[in-house]
Amino acid sequence: SQELEQSPQSLIVQEGKNLTINCTSSKTLYGLYWYKQKYGEGLIFLMMLQKGGEEKSHEKITAKLDEKKQQSSLHITASQPSHAGIYLCGADGSGNTGKLIFGQGTTLQVKP
Amino acid sequence: DVKVTQSSRYLVKRTGEKVFLECVQDMDHENMFWYRQDPGLGLRLIYFSYDVKMKEKGDIPEGYSVSREKKERFSLILESASTNQTSMYLCASSSIPGQKGYTFGSGTRLTVV
Repeated sequence: SQELEQSPQSLIVQEGKNLTINCTSSKTLYGLYWYKQKYGEGLIFLMMLQKGGEEKSHEKITAKLDEKKQQSSLHITASQPSHAGIYLCGADGSGNTGKLIFGQGTTLQVKP
Repeated sequence: DVKVTQSSRYLVKRTGEKVFLECVQDMDHENMFWYRQDPGLGLRLIYFSYDVKMKEKGDIPEGYSVSREKKERFSLILESASTNQTSMYLCASSSIPGQKGYTFGSGTRLTVV
């Protein structure tokens, strides 16, 4: 079965610094989703990537999917306290079934 | 915007009780899912449903059952709650796979004492 590994597991950065979170799959990714979760709340959809080499941006967050479609990165530029939370990557484990599996999450703290 | 509403944010139940967690979505989505989230383990799929009265087991169905009598409502049932079912439970729904993934509810934090 497919597994997603996220790194790092946790991250503490100073406000204004850039950071990157990685998500590595054991199999080819048919669709890779990034979500953000504030502590104790539900998940908010950020972006979805499908094509090898694809890159998407929303405000100061950029997500990329590598050409081989087995690794994705989430990059935050000039981090702010509002970026703090848990970031999770998710993928369709069986290829377009809609049944997502998730990485274990990366907890981000941004110090003012 | 799609809304997925979970009936309770916090629940405290006793061991052995039958517990119902309710989830309602308002966008006519076919697919609905129940996950639990635990520190260090991420989200794990309990059950999912692609249609009314249809259900399929996820990765960790033991100790749980589900009910989907209407398209908009998907209930998770703990037949006899145990302390190892203390967790955050997240409901999600989706229409077409591969579009925006899932829309999640705010979660129910269940404590079994």
